[in-house]
Amino acid sequence: NAGVTQTPKFRVLKTGQSMTLLCAQDMNHEYMYWYRQDPGMGLRLIHYSVGEGTTAKGEVPDGYNVSRLKKQNFLLGLESAAPSQTSVYFCASSYDFIRGAISNQPQHFGDGTRLSIL
Amino acid sequence: AQKVTQAQTEISVVEKEDVTLDCVYETRDTTYYLFWYKQPPSGELVFLIRRNSFDEQNEISGRYSWNFQKSTSSFNFTITASQVVDSAVYFCALRGNEKLTFGTGTRLTIIP
Repeated sequence: NAGVTQTPKFRVLKTGQSMTLLCAQDMNHEYMYWYRQDPGMGLRLIHYSVGEGTTAKGEVPDGYNVSRLKKQNFLLGLESAAPSQTSVYFCASSYDFIRGAISNQPQHFGDGTRLSIL
Repeated sequence: AQKVTQAQTEISVVEKEDVTLDCVYETRDTTYYLFWYKQPPSGELVFLIRRNSFDEQNEISGRYSWNFQKSTSSFNFTITASQVVDSAVYFCALRGNEKLTFGTGTRLTIIP
């Protein structure tokens, strides 16, 4: 049972390069989330999705784009990477009966992606 | 505004001691949910507990217990007879009507 799978696990980019982080979940969850974790700042929500074809901005969305073309996948894109985007990125998913605002159900997290921008 | 404060940045205790991790929250919502997550050295985040704002009963699960007090806006987490495997960063989180906010985490180190 894979749960939430993030690829890649590590990546080093040069400033200005683009890349996409992939998150896949096999729990049939409606809700998916992207966070970044920085020292001393906890987890901050970048974007989230309450269902296939929907996305919404979180706390720190600037510089990122997301897409949810399939229910099981949630992609996070960096169009032009900047050193300030060096971080550990976590994807999460959760289940809820009601579509709309952020779910009140526990979130299941992936193992994280460590991204360094030089 | 919604806020979660974990004032203890780092705690170290000797194995078998009890330890309490503090979590204080602020919200204007009448209905909200509180969570604790554990992040061991391997890096993954593990859900520990969820509590809604209408349920102030304390919860005990093995060596773990949680004390929710709305009067002081606190949701503290106690580990009894700590073990080395409890070493991790622990996050408290609050889900209000529209937003989910994590605290900055408490790094707990259990010294053998």
